[in-house]
Amino acid sequence: GAVVSQHPSWVICKSGTSVKIECRSLDFQATTMFWYRQFPKQSLMLMATSNEGSKATYEQGVEKDKFLINHASLTLSTLTVTSAHPEDSSFYICSARDFASLGSEQFFGPGTRLTVL
Amino acid sequence: KNQVEQSPQSLIILEGKNCTLQCNYTVSPFSNLRWYKQDTGRGPVSLTIMTFSENTKSNGRYTATLDADTKQSSLHITASQLSDSASYICVAAPSGTYKYIFGTGTRLKVLA
Repeated sequence: GAVVSQHPSWVICKSGTSVKIECRSLDFQATTMFWYRQFPKQSLMLMATSNEGSKATYEQGVEKDKFLINHASLTLSTLTVTSAHPEDSSFYICSARDFASLGSEQFFGPGTRLTVL
Repeated sequence: KNQVEQSPQSLIILEGKNCTLQCNYTVSPFSNLRWYKQDTGRGPVSLTIMTFSENTKSNGRYTATLDADTKQSSLHITASQLSDSASYICVAAPSGTYKYIFGTGTRLKVLA
């Protein structure tokens, strides 16, 4: 149980285009989802927290207009990297939590590798 | 400032050998401490979770210890296998918040 999937697993795009990454909780309802970014040989950095049906809360230094987050349902959150540039190339990981039944446990997705040319 | 430090930064061992990874944390108020294994290009997978009242927790060949007084934790890997090659991340979870505090990880390489 408590499986989180991400799609796509990897994506290559041209500079200036927008890329959407999906995060789904497959067997539980995720009241909260988290988006992380991870650069090579570094640990996960929290970008934003989204609660179903409300606006995402962004960490300091993360541009909310560049990284659009939508958590429209209890099983799906999307991260859209708008007008992507090479410096946005990174490994993006989501996690999901259902506080009601699973407490504070976060379950991580497998990640999405974004390469911007 | 809430912080998690891990050592060593990287480690190379021969297959079959044991190793111990260290984690020091300054997180308050403290709820629990977690160890994750992250394979290259994959998301973190939970190995162990310990609350402040637990001293040790095992998961197969992985054994984690926690000293809440000194705010130190260790992850011991017994009889290492090639598949143990990964990054191991120590994560402290403060109470009263959903935000995890991540360590920078230890990159382990197991050689045949």
